[in-house]
Amino acid sequence: DAKTTQPPSMDCAEGRAANLPCNHSTISGNEYVYWYRQIHSQGPQYIIHGLKNNETNEMASLIITEDRKSSTLILPHATLRDTAVYYCIKGGNTPLVFGKGTRLSVIA
Amino acid sequence: NAGVTQTPKFQVLKTGQSMTLQCAQDMNHNSMYWYRQDPGMGLRLIYYSASEGTTDKGEVPNGYNVSRLNKREFSLRLESAAPSQTSVYFCASRADYQPQHFGDGTRLSIL
Repeated sequence: DAKTTQPPSMDCAEGRAANLPCNHSTISGNEYVYWYRQIHSQGPQYIIHGLKNNETNEMASLIITEDRKSSTLILPHATLRDTAVYYCIKGGNTPLVFGKGTRLSVIA
Repeated sequence: NAGVTQTPKFQVLKTGQSMTLQCAQDMNHNSMYWYRQDPGMGLRLIYYSASEGTTDKGEVPNGYNVSRLNKREFSLRLESAAPSQTSVYFCASRADYQPQHFGDGTRLSIL
């Protein structure tokens, strides 16, 4: 079962939107897309999740393509505190499988 | 609301010693999980429990045992610690089809 595919690293200027892409071409119909982030060695922090509709909460927006094969996490106004490793995970009711994620560096 | 609580936060062991990592959640979640994270790596699943009274192996179960003591608590035991088990251990819980919630981790060093 293939995991998702994310770029290993990205930079973003402080105050700009950070757009983190994720490819999940093998996603099943009942699998959600979850996004987490991990700052230093803290426990992973849940950000947002969705099935097929776009989602928004106080932290971020999630855009899922119509064919559900890819998605984009959007942090609308990145701050230095958003520097972290971001994980995109597809999953149903089974344990979530973490890949290596994208290391986002927000630059002043 | 404490969420997922892990104890201890730090521990140093000698090779061959045993210890139990404790995890408790107060969200009435059915499922609980143990992961380990080695430096520069993603999280790897050790064991999980889909409901009270059941446990299943994950990706890296060798050298570990677990106990789902009740709905709230899920412990991880190292019977004979080895240096290769030096890692950060994370516990998580979730309700069905909902996001997993993680604890702050236990940093374990084995000399």
